Amino acid sequence: DAGVIQSPRHEVTEMGQEVTLRCKPISGHNSLFWYRQTMMRGLELLIYFNNNVPIDDSGMPEDRFSAKMPNASFSTLKIQPSEPRDSAVYFCASSPQGTIADTEAFFGQGTRLTVV
Amino acid sequence: AQSVTQLDSHVSVSEGTPVLLRCNYSSSYSPSLFWYVQHPNKGLQLLLKYTSAATLVKGINGFEAEFKKSETSFHLTKPSAHMSDAAEYFCVVDSSYKLIFGSGTRLLVRP
Repeated sequence: DAGVIQSPRHEVTEMGQEVTLRCKPISGHNSLFWYRQTMMRGLELLIYFNNNVPIDDSGMPEDRFSAKMPNASFSTLKIQPSEPRDSAVYFCASSPQGTIADTEAFFGQGTRLTVV
Repeated sequence: AQSVTQLDSHVSVSEGTPVLLRCNYSSSYSPSLFWYVQHPNKGLQLLLKYTSAATLVKGINGFEAEFKKSETSFHLTKPSAHMSDAAEYFCVVDSSYKLIFGSGTRLLVRP
């Protein structure tokens, strides 16, 4: 298995532009997570999907952020409009169960976003 | 609410000497705890996990951690550091479906 696949690996965009980050979870996993990593705030959970349904989006910072999971093999995280403070590494992770306690979350390589 | 505190932001050791990365947790119930490692410009990899079985947990690459309820600690250890161990290490607690990450400890290994 190729693991969790994220694209692009790096994205540089101008302030105000729309940014879309993509994630392909591991086949058969029914939970998907988007995390953001910054120096100031560390790793934060943005949103959690279970069986393609958003269960908890309380970590999404504001309305400029949106996430979708149209099917079990694909998810997107969109920022519109982007701002310099959105610069971070965004990780996608998937897990085979609804709760993580008895399993592990598998992380992608991350997308490094720079908004100038 | 579940939380973890990593007591050291940086730890520096010489190659071949023991490693100790400290983590304390706060939990209203018996938690599941994890250690993840992140090498530079890479994703996160699970080192080991505790899920209320044996209190001493062995992980990959010679790492292990001991769950001590009385001290609310879950410290990560390795008897002998290798240069390849240089990375950032995260102590993580499970809060239902969420993973709550500590602030991370950067391990430096000197030749």
